[in-house]
Amino acid sequence: DQQVKQNSPSLSVQEGRISILNCDYTNSMFDYFLWYKKYPAEGPTFLISISSIKDKNEDGRFTVFLNKSAKHLSLHIVPSQPGDSAVYFCAARTGGGADGLTFGKGTHLIIQP
Amino acid sequence: NAGVMQNPRHLVRRRGQEARLRCSPMKGHSHVYWYRQLPEEGLKFMVYLQKENIIDESGMPKERFSAEFPKEGPSILRIQQVVRGDSAAYFCASSLQGQINQPQHFGDGTRLSIL
Repeated sequence: DQQVKQNSPSLSVQEGRISILNCDYTNSMFDYFLWYKKYPAEGPTFLISISSIKDKNEDGRFTVFLNKSAKHLSLHIVPSQPGDSAVYFCAARTGGGADGLTFGKGTHLIIQP
Repeated sequence: NAGVMQNPRHLVRRRGQEARLRCSPMKGHSHVYWYRQLPEEGLKFMVYLQKENIIDESGMPKERFSAEFPKEGPSILRIQQVVRGDSAAYFCASSLQGQINQPQHFGDGTRLSIL
C-alpha cells in the first residue's frame, strides 16, 4: 500500500520556467514532509521540508505548499535551471520522530535548454 | 568531508554468501537509519538505530537481516545467505537527534549485486 504517491514518473520543463512536482499521501498521521533531490549513483540530498502546522515554506528558488485537507503537497522550483535535472522524492514522517521516512517513488525532472 | 560515509560503494556476492554494509554517520550524529531502494522504486525504510540500541526495525525482513550500531565504530547492516532478490541499493542516513523536524542526511549508498 503506497502511503506516499508521486503520480508523475517524469516531468519536462523549459529552463527558466516554473517546475511543479506533486505528491499525495494517505496516512493522516503524517506530521512532517520533506523533499529530496537525487542524482544517479548518489544519495538523496535534503532540499526543503514543511511541518503540518504550516501551509507554505520557502527557501530561495524552492517553495513547498501543503494542503492538509486534500493530503497533497507540491514543490515549486522557479526559475528552473539545468542543474535541477534529477529525481525528486517526496517523503513523510509521523509525529514523535521515532521512525523512518516513507518515500514516494520519485519524479524525474528534466530541464530542457 | 563530514558527510555520511558508506562502504563499500559496490559489493558483489554469490547466492548464499554474507554481505556486510558499513555506515559512518555525520560527525556528532548518533541516530542512523537504513533504507533499501529497488530499481524504479522509492527508498523503503528498514531500521532505525541509536548507539547500541535498535529503536525501530519494523521495515527489516525478519530473517537473514540484522543491524547494529556499536558504541565505537560504524553501523553495520548484515545480510546472511544472500538471494537474488537482495540486489538493491542500500542507503544509510543519519540525524543529530531523532526529532521530527531534523532532516536525515544520506550517504551515497552501497550497490549490492547478487550473482
